Amino acid sequence: QQQVKQSPQSLIVQKGGISIINCAYENTAFDYFPWYQQFPGKGPALLIAIRPDVSEKKEGRFTISFNKSAKQFSLHIMDSQPGDSATYFCAASRGGATNKLIFGTGTLLAVQP
Amino acid sequence: DAGITQSPRHKVTETGTPVTLRCHQTENHRYMYWYRQDPGHGLRLIHYSYGVKDTDKGEVSDGYSVSRSKTEDFLLTLESATSSQTSVYFCATRTGITGNTIYFGEGSWLTVV
Repeated sequence: QQQVKQSPQSLIVQKGGISIINCAYENTAFDYFPWYQQFPGKGPALLIAIRPDVSEKKEGRFTISFNKSAKQFSLHIMDSQPGDSATYFCAASRGGATNKLIFGTGTLLAVQP
Repeated sequence: DAGITQSPRHKVTETGTPVTLRCHQTENHRYMYWYRQDPGHGLRLIHYSYGVKDTDKGEVSDGYSVSRSKTEDFLLTLESATSSQTSVYFCATRTGITGNTIYFGEGSWLTVV
């Protein structure tokens, strides 16, 4: 059972454009929603994260939009650059000691110059 | 960077042989995780540890065992490797209950032939 569904599977955006990746979750107990960025041959690295008590969080060109009622959250990359080309994973977890992250299936983003 | 070192980084092994992957961390993080990454599946949790000698199963634990005899080391063992265990394995760590950020190592590429 896929608890976190991510779309699209791949995305091509022109330099300067907006990249949008969407995720939907099922478990209403989830209370932490991070996005990870992964370059080829490397491990995932935390990009930005949000908790359900806010609807939006922005860090530089990266913004998370969160819709609690719809159980959806999305990543927006403004002014996309070729250096943003990577695989992006959304994830979710519930609070508590173990904090096990459940990941989406990933989105391969290619930003064309 | 949470000072996570995985070894070996690449390994080719034969079906039926035992394999051990090692994760070493230098940040004294309490929690450690093993994930596997496969196309179309994202990252899936195999096992995790919440302290020395305290471990538990994740969502894809069949065929795998783990041990943690020291805070800094978390070992993943494939008792009898199968072709379905060909994957990229990532170790991850988290500071403690109040820290949400999970840091990933660089990955171990395992091919079972």
